[in-house]
Amino acid sequence: AQSVAQPEDQVNVAEGNPLTVKCTYSVSGNPYLFWYVQYPNRGLQFLLKYITGDNLVKGSYGFEAEFNKSQTSFHLKKPSALVSDSALYFCAVRVGKAAGNKLTFGGGTRVLVKP
Amino acid sequence: GAGVSQTPSNKVTEKGKYVELRCDPISGHTALYWYRQSLGQGPEFLIYFQGTGAADDSGLPNDRFFAVRPEGSVSTLKIQRTERGDSAVYLCASSPTSGPINEQFFGPGTRLTVL
Repeated sequence: AQSVAQPEDQVNVAEGNPLTVKCTYSVSGNPYLFWYVQYPNRGLQFLLKYITGDNLVKGSYGFEAEFNKSQTSFHLKKPSALVSDSALYFCAVRVGKAAGNKLTFGGGTRVLVKP
Repeated sequence: GAGVSQTPSNKVTEKGKYVELRCDPISGHTALYWYRQSLGQGPEFLIYFQGTGAADDSGLPNDRFFAVRPEGSVSTLKIQRTERGDSAVYLCASSPTSGPINEQFFGPGTRLTVL
């Protein structure tokens, strides 16, 4: 079975400071990893994904994530947070056809960026 | 272009009633997914369609839940004899194909409240 853990329910950061949202995963096989963001009353929006290759993945809105196989982590990062980055962030994993292509999500981390 | 749309946006029903939730995927997307998101949690997989057929329905909680996609486009999630525990936001997503590397595009969801 595959699982995703987001150990922090909430992350508070001052505008302009670096933002990190943590994610660890547990799978049998090679993982495909995704980050989504959810704004109030809106659907999940895709930010970035890791499939293979370079461990540092760059995505939308200045976000990036680093895949670390030895630590089974895929932390989301942004060098300088904006107030508009305040939202709910979800990490998700897939393990291809063995898992039926479904996404398994973490519990989410709420990010609050203060001016 | 148009994204994934879901109707209704909100549905309030009484315990024991039957409800239908509709999803219009992005045009041309062959894969369609249903997830359920309870308050304070990440989305949980329900069912996945490749074309008209349900390729994986392992996430459906019980036989009160059923979904169809008769023409390979619009999908309807059907819940019989609703229970208060069915209250959640039901999310639909689509992707161009069913391959695990493809990100899923989510709709805004239908918030179901069972009184």
